[in-house]
Amino acid sequence: SYELTQPPSVSVSPGQTAKITCSGDALSKQYTYWYQQKPGQAPVLVMYKDSERPSGIPERFSGSSSGTTVTLTISGVQAEDEADYYCQSADSSGTYFYVFGTGTKVSVL
Amino acid sequence: QITLKESGPTLVKPTQTLTLTCTFSGFSLSTSGVGVGWIRQPPGKALEWLALIYWNDDKRYSPSLKSRLTITKDTSKSQVVLTMTNMDPVDTATYYCAHKPGIAAAHNCFDPWGQGTLVTVSS
Repeated sequence: SYELTQPPSVSVSPGQTAKITCSGDALSKQYTYWYQQKPGQAPVLVMYKDSERPSGIPERFSGSSSGTTVTLTISGVQAEDEADYYCQSADSSGTYFYVFGTGTKVSVL
Repeated sequence: QITLKESGPTLVKPTQTLTLTCTFSGFSLSTSGVGVGWIRQPPGKALEWLALIYWNDDKRYSPSLKSRLTITKDTSKSQVVLTMTNMDPVDTATYYCAHKPGIAAAHNCFDPWGQGTLVTVSS
């Protein structure tokens, strides 16, 4: 089965930069999307098409892609950014199924 | 403004069939390209995509759960229904429905999501 791998956790001090990676074989062929999920809440889309930011998402969130690894970067981390982050993509054809990453807990120290 | 809300039983017994309804507003499932998907999340675990239905009744299922899932839509009621057969305690999870904005590769995401509904499988 197709999997997207993320680091379980990332710790960062306020004002510093957090980088969350997502690796998967088909990521060079398909766009990646990122979701932020705070405790007890539904996920919220924070990045689409690898590096596009939806309206309302702060500019400190950015995305990049290189081969089969994509990265979500949070610059100038704030306490409110503490959450779980999930990447998501599609199968290599982009039409048959969708998959979420293993999730990364971002802790703001 | 697009909103979605899940409804259904909070407790089901092992081997029973789960039926969940997603009622949405702010868009129509008769609009070309639009879809509604279901995603679940066991307590403390990661998100798992389950199924998707498009405006044209095209359906997609998770390969690992395909034999147990059925997704249907009622466009006139703005509802999407997911059924999952042969429920097991490992299926205990929060089940979310979400809007898929289009069929193009650039729209292979889910936004926004419903609030989710916790389903517990226990005898």
